[in-house]
Amino acid sequence: QKEVEQDPGPLSVPEGAIVSLNCTYSNSAFQYFMWYRQYSRKGPELLMYTYSSGNKEDGRFTAQVDKSSKYISLFIRDSQPSDSATYLCAMRANTNAGKSTFGDGTTLTVKP
Amino acid sequence: KAGVTQTPRYLIKTRGQQVTLSCSPISGHRSVSWYQQTPGQGLQFLFEYFSETQRNKGNFPGRFSGRQFSNSRSEMNVSTLELGDSALYLCASSLQANTGELFFGEGSRLTVL
Repeated sequence: QKEVEQDPGPLSVPEGAIVSLNCTYSNSAFQYFMWYRQYSRKGPELLMYTYSSGNKEDGRFTAQVDKSSKYISLFIRDSQPSDSATYLCAMRANTNAGKSTFGDGTTLTVKP
Repeated sequence: KAGVTQTPRYLIKTRGQQVTLSCSPISGHRSVSWYQQTPGQGLQFLFEYFSETQRNKGNFPGRFSGRQFSNSRSEMNVSTLELGDSALYLCASSLQANTGELFFGEGSRLTVL
């Protein structure tokens, strides 16, 4: 079983919808949680970075971490066609940035 | 500010050959990590370098190796290529080794025939 599980989708929503993306994990040592967005033929781009449990908001994006349930979420409000991409959750256990464990990614399509 | 630069972007090799991929991190970033991305396995950690020292290594065979130079630029090498090595190889840099913000390049897409 993988340390990080992410529903691969694909997920298709109409423009303006609220999107919920989720990951579960098994390693209780994970403390740092990230969400990346990856467009086709591009490298992943960091969207959100949170430490431990709680919520973090940045514009239309909100990241939630529930360490007790080993569950993290990314919410996208007022989704736009430009949000169509693959979203990857990632997490790591210590202060070492390089060794992150990634989910397999959820492919999102926002239809105009 | 220039991002992470990876070269070459695309390359085709045959089984048994070796390949070297290059990565120039964002100016001032001292940590460089390498990941392999495939449709079946997702993003898998290869290794991380900081100040020319390998700090972490993923679960890959010894055919995969890397190094970092004094200017923080990094190379990774894969010897005796196998069909299963076909993948997108991503390099990421971070300012220090203790921050979670990885900045990725666009990757080098390797096809092994």
